Amino acid sequence: SQQGEEDPQALSIQEGENATMNCSYKTSINNLQWYRQNSGRGLVHLILIRSNEREKHSGRLRVTLDTSKKSSSLLITASRAADTASYFCATVSRTGNQFYFGTGTSLTVIP
Amino acid sequence: DSGVTQTPKHLITATGQRVTLRCSPRSGDLSVYWYQQSLDQGLQFLIQYYNGEERAKGNILERFSAQQFPDLHSELNLSSLELGDSALYFCASSILLGSNEQFFGPGTRLTVL
Repeated sequence: SQQGEEDPQALSIQEGENATMNCSYKTSINNLQWYRQNSGRGLVHLILIRSNEREKHSGRLRVTLDTSKKSSSLLITASRAADTASYFCATVSRTGNQFYFGTGTSLTVIP
Repeated sequence: DSGVTQTPKHLITATGQRVTLRCSPRSGDLSVYWYQQSLDQGLQFLIQYYNGEERAKGNILERFSAQQFPDLHSELNLSSLELGDSALYFCASSILLGSNEQFFGPGTRLTVL
């Protein structure tokens, strides 16, 4: 499967702590995107990082990309209870027409 | 609210039956994607349409088919349903073909009994 793998599968932290989740993938990519999903709801796009970028920030989110290792990480700083959700990485193929979602990390932020 | 609508929200049917799921993309979006999310398979990309034409296929079974109409809404048809087809089916849309961010609908939960 070309699907990405996320690590850890589940993460539980205290409010105010930082949360880091990792994504590994197998094929060359055009870009990598992170999405968030609240239980049973649709996914919401968080951030996109292109293959020629190494780091990107958006508010409390920081994403890194290492194409040589075929991996990415998502850091959420100063977590809040409202950040409780599942987080997925999605890789977009070089041709831009194949999307592969990772297996997801379930994040629980304890108030 | 992403602007993508999906109907119905829930669908309960029996094995062997055929169902149609409907998706209306965000206003102005030309690309529509279909995904299946189940507990054991995760989120699987099924198929993509752009301005009425099929542009990419993922893990879509032969029993499943889709189309995008001139008004850009899309339908996913699932036939000869099996228990294993029970899942959440998401539609997503994006402005262009390719690598932009996608906007997801709320999903249709299909239960096959």
